[in-house]
Amino acid sequence: AQKVTQAQTEISVVEKEDVTLDCVYETRDTTYYLFWYKQPPSGELVFLIRRNSFDEQNEISGRYSWNFQKSTSSFNFTITASQVVDSAVYFCALSALRGNTPLVFGKGTRLSVIA
Amino acid sequence: ETGVTQTPRHLVMGMTNKKSLKCEQHLGHNAMYWYKQSAKKPLELMFVYSLEERVENNSVPSRFSPECPNSSHLFLHLHTLQPEDSALYLCASSQDLGGSYNEQFFGPGTRLTVL
Repeated sequence: AQKVTQAQTEISVVEKEDVTLDCVYETRDTTYYLFWYKQPPSGELVFLIRRNSFDEQNEISGRYSWNFQKSTSSFNFTITASQVVDSAVYFCALSALRGNTPLVFGKGTRLSVIA
Repeated sequence: ETGVTQTPRHLVMGMTNKKSLKCEQHLGHNAMYWYKQSAKKPLELMFVYSLEERVENNSVPSRFSPECPNSSHLFLHLHTLQPEDSALYLCASSQDLGGSYNEQFFGPGTRLTVL
């Protein structure tokens, strides 16, 4: 069985603060993919990143960075110098390689960045 | 048009009405999905289609009836809904099911209100 846990339901930060969104996953597969999506108030989920289980290098894209730790089954997402436009719900998701199964999403973390 | 489109964007209906939500993807994908997202609740996967065959139906009430006439179109037919069915209905598509093919592209959603 696969599972994604986002323990933080809601986070509020003041603009320019750094914030880390946690994601812990469970899977028995050795090959899998992890995703992050952003859902702004408009509603549409926007793809942010995909990472496969063989690539443990951390990734940075502008103010966004992702820390993949296989040893702790975590794929955390950090926003540096947060901005009001970062306010959204962020979803972490997991996909196994085997079988025709869809993505398993976490429950999401609602981030509010206050000016 | 590109990506995943959904119509209508907003819908208000009475409990005795029959309406349909439409989703169209212009990405050449083989898998399509319906999700329900109620206020401040996690994403709920409702239906999954792969190559126009339904592969998953997560205990959704029969008042929701999906239809996938071809790999580019997905409908959700609604009849005798309840007020608790008011939610954001999101459509998504992916290249296929499983592994990296599970990267889903989402439409903007239909915000449904049942009176």
